[in-house]
Amino acid sequence: DIVMTQSPLSLSVTPGEPASISCRSSQNLLHSNGNNYLDWYLQKPGQSPQLLIYMGSIRTSGVPARFSGSGSGTDFTLKISRVEAEDVGVYYCMQALRTPRTFGQGTKVEIK
Amino acid sequence: EVQLVESGGGLVQPGGSLTLSCVASGFSFNDYGINWVRQAPGKGLEWISYIPSIDPTLYYADSVRGRFIISRDNAKNSVYLQMNSLRAEDTAVYYCTRGRLVTMTGSSYKGMGVWGQGTTVTVSS
Repeated sequence: DIVMTQSPLSLSVTPGEPASISCRSSQNLLHSNGNNYLDWYLQKPGQSPQLLIYMGSIRTSGVPARFSGSGSGTDFTLKISRVEAEDVGVYYCMQALRTPRTFGQGTKVEIK
Repeated sequence: EVQLVESGGGLVQPGGSLTLSCVASGFSFNDYGINWVRQAPGKGLEWISYIPSIDPTLYYADSVRGRFIISRDNAKNSVYLQMNSLRAEDTAVYYCTRGRLVTMTGSSYKGMGVWGQGTTVTVSS
């Protein structure tokens, strides 16, 4: 199975400041079609997870532009350019290249 | 409105069985694969099963293979998860999620963009 490792596991951010989460996979997530099969999800307190980014860098509809995904192969990053209070929650990366799908441990983001 | 609604959770004794349902609306259900993802209390997300839209192959995590069975009824826009030989470690919130789109012209993956609200399964004596 592909192992996903996130860091840090927790993050305390001042509103308006940037934040960055790293996700590393144990196997290359770059498909021969040129796409990286890496998603980012956010689970806000008391809610179901929601998709933020797929294919490593494509924001899904409705996701604010302050969220961006980058990386390729085995190293990926989720960046929030200016954190807002509504961004609190747990962020997960997930590889979608192979079955079983596997998630990172999650990164808990809180506001200072 | 595009949505998935799970039901069927509850309290069950170890060794017992339970069947979860996931009903879709607002999109062309027949064209999408559906996943089940669970979250144990205070823990992270665990993918457990996937049923494609066309491909008859079914997919399971090792933790549930041989005990859980996924199925779908396109006429009812529904996916089911039959859970047998339940264990305490199966206690979790179970979510269904929308997966890959497959049509006659091709397939595309755009993440698990639709999640249900979850249904809670508690395995305890």
